[in-house]
Amino acid sequence: DAGVIQSPRHEVTEMGQEVTLRCKPISGHNSLFWYRQTMMRGLELLIYFNNNVPIDDSGMPEDRFSAKMPNASFSTLKIQPSEPRDSAVYFCASSGQQFSGNTIYFGEGSWLTVV
Amino acid sequence: GENVEQHPSTLSVQEGDSAVIKCTYSDSASNYFPWYKQELGKRPQLIIDIRSNVGEKKDQRIAVTLNKTAKHFSLHITETQPEDSAVYFCAAPKSGGYNKLIFGAGTRLAVHP
Repeated sequence: DAGVIQSPRHEVTEMGQEVTLRCKPISGHNSLFWYRQTMMRGLELLIYFNNNVPIDDSGMPEDRFSAKMPNASFSTLKIQPSEPRDSAVYFCASSGQQFSGNTIYFGEGSWLTVV
Repeated sequence: GENVEQHPSTLSVQEGDSAVIKCTYSDSASNYFPWYKQELGKRPQLIIDIRSNVGEKKDQRIAVTLNKTAKHFSLHITETQPEDSAVYFCAAPKSGGYNKLIFGAGTRLAVHP
C-alpha cells in the first residue's frame, strides 16, 4: 500500500499567489481529512470529507481557503490569495470508515512557505 | 465541541526511565483515544489507541490508560530509548461520533543517553 500521497512536498510562493495542494487517499478509504500544523496552533482540522462529500468545514480559516474532492481518489486544498500567515505544513489523512474508532493515516505533508 | 488538553508540553528523561503524558477531554460521549508519534520532519503516526470499553491497553513498552469518569487518558512509555525522542499527540473524536480527531497540543519528549 502506497499510503496517503501528497504533492507538492515543498512549495515556496509569493504572497498573493494561488496555491493548490493535492492528495490521493489510501485506496478504499472513504474518509479524507485536511489538517494544518503550525508551532503556534498545533494540528488543526480544516475540513473532513466522507464519500467525497464535505461533512464539516468549520475549521477552514477563511474564504481564501477551499477544498474539493471530485472523486474517491483525489482531493485538493486551494489557497487564493495566499498570505505569509498561511505558511505551515498541510497534512492530508484518510481512514476506512466514517465512524469513530478507525485509524487515521497521514500523508507526508506539504510544507508551504509564503513569502 | 471537543477540547483536548495535553500535559506536559515538554518532557526530558534519562534513557531507561519511564515517561508519562496526560490528556483530558471534554466530551463525555468520546469513545476512542489514539496516540500519535511525530518525529522531526515526519508525519504523525499512530502508536497505540484505546476504546472506551477498556481501561488499559499495552503494546510492548507503551501503554495507555483511560479514566472515563475523570475524562482523562495517559500514555506510559517504559524503559525509554533515544529513538523514543519525538513529539507525541493525544486525540479524541470531535463531537458527533464521526471519525474527526481533535488533537492535543503535543508533548516534546527528549530521551538522553
